[in-house]
Amino acid sequence: KAGVTQTPRYLIKTRGQQVTLSCSPISGHRSVSWYQQTPGQGLQFLFEYFSETQRNKGNFPGRFSGRQFSNSRSEMNVSTLELGDSALYLCASSSRTDFGYTFGSGTRLTVV
Amino acid sequence: GENVGLHLPTLSVQEGDNSIINCAYSNSASDYFIWYKQESGKGPQFIIDIRSNMDKRQGQRVTVLLNKTVKHLSLQIAATQPGDSAVYFCAVSYNFNKFYFGSGTKLNVKP
Repeated sequence: KAGVTQTPRYLIKTRGQQVTLSCSPISGHRSVSWYQQTPGQGLQFLFEYFSETQRNKGNFPGRFSGRQFSNSRSEMNVSTLELGDSALYLCASSSRTDFGYTFGSGTRLTVV
Repeated sequence: GENVGLHLPTLSVQEGDNSIINCAYSNSASDYFIWYKQESGKGPQFIIDIRSNMDKRQGQRVTVLLNKTVKHLSLQIAATQPGDSAVYFCAVSYNFNKFYFGSGTKLNVKP
């Protein structure tokens, strides 16, 4: 079956702009989690959505938000971009009943 | 919460040797553990997982060992190959809630 698909793969934005990233989970997976990965901080948890509801949330400012649709696809939005938001944004999907947690290839966001 | 740490940021091994990558966690209630491999420019790739009711699990050329007493997890790669060069992360979870990740060990395989 198809893996986790993230779009776009690369993105360049200017400070102050906003951005929306998309994640399509593995078919049948209802849980989608988002992570920010940077060389200095490693993988940091942003939030998890399950059946369109936010289940868990990490320690990121309110500029970072997300949502999940009825087909389990998820989007995350970052408003008022800062240079420090430059990172690889990863999403992972799971069924939450079977174990396993599969990542997409990520969206590389560069803020200039 | 959970603190997850890896013992070495970098590990260099000779091709054909065995590699051992370690991970320590802090929450004794953690019950599900995954090892991931991440190559440059790619997302983490699932290698092998283990639940807390097991202490060893084997895959193809990989073995994960779990020592719940000392809260330690290791990944053993047999006959390491150049294609194994990557960053390896452990991920730790309780009750399949939020996963906590180690900072990663970069494995360099010397030909």
